[in-house]
Amino acid sequence: GAVVSQHPSWVICKSGTSVKIECRSLDFQATTMFWYRQFPKQSLMLMATSNEGSKATYEQGVEKDKFLINHASLTLSTLTVTSAHPEDSSFYICSAILQGTAFFGQGTRLTVV
Amino acid sequence: KQEVTQIPAALSVPEGENLVLNCSFTDSAIYNLQWFRQDPGKGLTSLLLIQSSQREQTSGRLNASLDKSSGRSTLYIAASQPGDSATYLCAAERQTGANNLFFGTGTRLTVIP
Repeated sequence: GAVVSQHPSWVICKSGTSVKIECRSLDFQATTMFWYRQFPKQSLMLMATSNEGSKATYEQGVEKDKFLINHASLTLSTLTVTSAHPEDSSFYICSAILQGTAFFGQGTRLTVV
Repeated sequence: KQEVTQIPAALSVPEGENLVLNCSFTDSAIYNLQWFRQDPGKGLTSLLLIQSSQREQTSGRLNASLDKSSGRSTLYIAASQPGDSATYLCAAERQTGANNLFFGTGTRLTVIP
């Protein structure tokens, strides 16, 4: 099946720094990718829809200036958490759709200390 | 706003037992309903996808049903095995131009050898 690769799998950063997470579709092209966030004991929540060659669409309550999304090619979308704070610590996961089926990256566990 | 609920939150069964996982959603205007499996430290694996026009889908020992009118889906696992131990998530895809998913909080299944 299709593969979506996410990097890094986990990252620890200091408060105030920025962290970039990459999401790649390895064997298919994805004009659209999705970024989700999951806090402990909560469901995955959509943060934004990443569109190749255009601006991302953010869900209500998600700060676009804090969570920068770049979808520069058909196989890569990046999520940058800027000026990270401890409350940004969470599990971030991306997905891409191929023929109606969602394929997910392995997720990134972000811990801000 | 679509809300997806899964019960129970956790379930332990002896090996060989048949079991049912439940998923309910508040907005019946869905495009499809998906069931995923999540193993610790790994990304989500898509198990079954039921289109809004379908009633059920089967794959091996798994059978998923969909009742849009009542806002419910069930995942039936026959003859459970220890390897089935994982967290199972359902997700409703909303019926708009954007493909995105609303996830439940999951059911953590443990199959006891």
